[in-house]
Amino acid sequence: EAGVTQFPSHSVIEKGQTVTLRCDPISGHDNLYWYRRVMGKEIKFLLHFVKESKQDESGMPNNRFLAERTGGTYSTLKVQPAELEDSGVYFCASSQGDRVNEQFFGPGTRLTVL
Amino acid sequence: DQQVKQNSPSLSVQEGRISILNCDYTNSMFDYFLWYKKYPAEGPTFLISISSIKDKNEDGRFTVFLNKSAKHLSLHIVPSQPGDSAVYFCAARDAYSGAGSYQLTFGKGTKLSVIP
Repeated sequence: EAGVTQFPSHSVIEKGQTVTLRCDPISGHDNLYWYRRVMGKEIKFLLHFVKESKQDESGMPNNRFLAERTGGTYSTLKVQPAELEDSGVYFCASSQGDRVNEQFFGPGTRLTVL
Repeated sequence: DQQVKQNSPSLSVQEGRISILNCDYTNSMFDYFLWYKKYPAEGPTFLISISSIKDKNEDGRFTVFLNKSAKHLSLHIVPSQPGDSAVYFCAARDAYSGAGSYQLTFGKGTKLSVIP
């Protein structure tokens, strides 16, 4: 069974540019999450999809971040315009069924904003 | 303010001995706790979990203990192996963070080094 995949693995952009991160969850997982780890700090929750619906977006830092999950499969996280403080590793995770609390993480996308 | 705290940034243990990683939390609404292991350049990997209604859960070499009165949990690895060297994250779920929300709150992690 394929795990959670994320693309790209690294992205370096300049302040003010736009970046779109993609996450493909484990097949059949209805729950999809985005997290972010800023250097030296803890991994922080951004938002949670159930299928294509946003269940919880309380962790989204501001309106420069837009997450979508059209069709309830893969998800994208767009940052527009990017700021220096957006640098970090963005993780996607998915979970399903009676083990909904056990989230399986992807390898992350390392975003550097210069 | 951090709701999940891992106060030891690093821990070194001899191969074959026990590794004990600690985690403290402040939110009494947490109802489920998890440990994740993370290697460099990879995402966190689920290791073991425990519900707040239990005080111990065991899976092979890994055991998690939960002390609700002290708001403390620990992960025991016995015996420790060099392949266990990684960063270990403690995470918790708030049952009341929002209807149907399964967001996890993480600690900063403890880097475990198992010395051969």
